[in-house]
Amino acid sequence: QSALTQPASVSGSPGQSITISCTGTSSDVGSYNLVSWYQQHPGKAPKLMIYEVSKRPSGVSNRFSGSKSGNTASLTISGLQAEDEADYYCYSYAGSSTLVFGGGTKLTVL
Amino acid sequence: QVQLVQSGAEVKKPGASVKVSCKASGYSFIGYYIHWVRQAPGQGLEWMGWISPSSGAKHYAQKFQGRVTVTRDTSSSTAYMELSRLRSDDTAVYYCARTTDIVATGGYDYWGQGTLVTVSS
Repeated sequence: QSALTQPASVSGSPGQSITISCTGTSSDVGSYNLVSWYQQHPGKAPKLMIYEVSKRPSGVSNRFSGSKSGNTASLTISGLQAEDEADYYCYSYAGSSTLVFGGGTKLTVL
Repeated sequence: QVQLVQSGAEVKKPGASVKVSCKASGYSFIGYYIHWVRQAPGQGLEWMGWISPSSGAKHYAQKFQGRVTVTRDTSSSTAYMELSRLRSDDTAVYYCARTTDIVATGGYDYWGQGTLVTVSS
């Protein structure tokens, strides 16, 4: 099972919006609405930010939103803040009881 | 409050095995699946497998088939991940994470703190 494809890095200035893409195949992202997104700060465990493509867990800012079109899922962060600087990973069910992560994207807030 | 507390860091020699524990508290252990994820230094996250604490059913990523074994002890609300025939590229932080089902529909809402396993001769 190949990892989902994410850009290695993205950047934005405070207050701006950025979007991180996550490209899979018709066997994973394209077949299931089971994409989640995780934020990871250095030395910390990942934190769930989005599940089932676009749902936000309780406590996660509404500045974070998710969407999907075809084989590509996206995470959008609006009103960028310094604390958003972290690594972000997408994750999808891939059929046959297996799951797959994206390679990760480093977000830099300029 | 929900907590997943993992065992401490390990240093192992190539060819050895390591067993990492993940003790759950603050919720019904048998009501959620435990998945295992690892992260090599400076690298991304990698899914390894899952176990149903209720039934004991388990499934592993193809990459780890034959080397990984996940088990659970419902009496102590603890899940275990054992990786055998260790290689240097198994050096990583190993995480356990909780989710509602096999497909992680609701995502991993709680994670363990991570266990660093270092494989070195």
